[in-house]
Amino acid sequence: EVQLVESGGGLVQPGGSLRLSCAASGFDFSNHWKNWVRQAPGKGLEWVANMKPDGSEKRYVDSVKGRFTISRDNAKNSLYLQMNSLRAEDTAVYYCAAWGSSVHWGQGTLVTVSS
Amino acid sequence: DVVMTQSPLSLPVTLGQPASISCRSSQSLMYSDGGAYLEWFQQRPGQSPRRLIYGVSNRDSGVPDRFSGSGSGTDFTLKISTVEAEDAGVYFCIQYTHWPHTFGQGTKLEI
Repeated sequence: EVQLVESGGGLVQPGGSLRLSCAASGFDFSNHWKNWVRQAPGKGLEWVANMKPDGSEKRYVDSVKGRFTISRDNAKNSLYLQMNSLRAEDTAVYYCAAWGSSVHWGQGTLVTVSS
Repeated sequence: DVVMTQSPLSLPVTLGQPASISCRSSQSLMYSDGGAYLEWFQQRPGQSPRRLIYGVSNRDSGVPDRFSGSGSGTDFTLKISTVEAEDAGVYFCIQYTHWPHTFGQGTKLEI
């Protein structure tokens, strides 16, 4: 069964950090573009970051550049999003998504940035 | 950023009738290779999004042939030839010709 399972969300104070994880199974994760997408409450979907299959290229939306880092561990079939200097506007459900010959999304993990 | 504008945002339809959703981009989505990186997704309540169409008009494996995509440049359309009960959900378009990739707002199909 194809699965992407996110974890690591929660409540964090402004200026704090969180690390999201995404565990993939049931498909060739290493050959897919890896992505983080978020959806703030009552808002549309926003692409946050992505990474080429070989990890050679990483891109970030302007609002998270310098604060978020996307990374992977092929041996663990996992994707990560390190989020630093969090702001209230980063509050959202964060989805892990893999793009290739097939496309797969996780169920999302909620990140709430609030004091 | 490229703005993707979907219409309508709510689409009530009757079983067996056709449905059509428009997605317009603020810039051309044509890439240097002649293609356009425009995809359509369906999201049923409580489920993750499922891709239906890639490259404007190519159906994913397992997607019923009642779904079709068309368009070019800045104007794209998803059509359902005859709506079935299982088609209820939210449909959204995505462009990844330009970075950052951007989404349409979503169209809620109600049966």
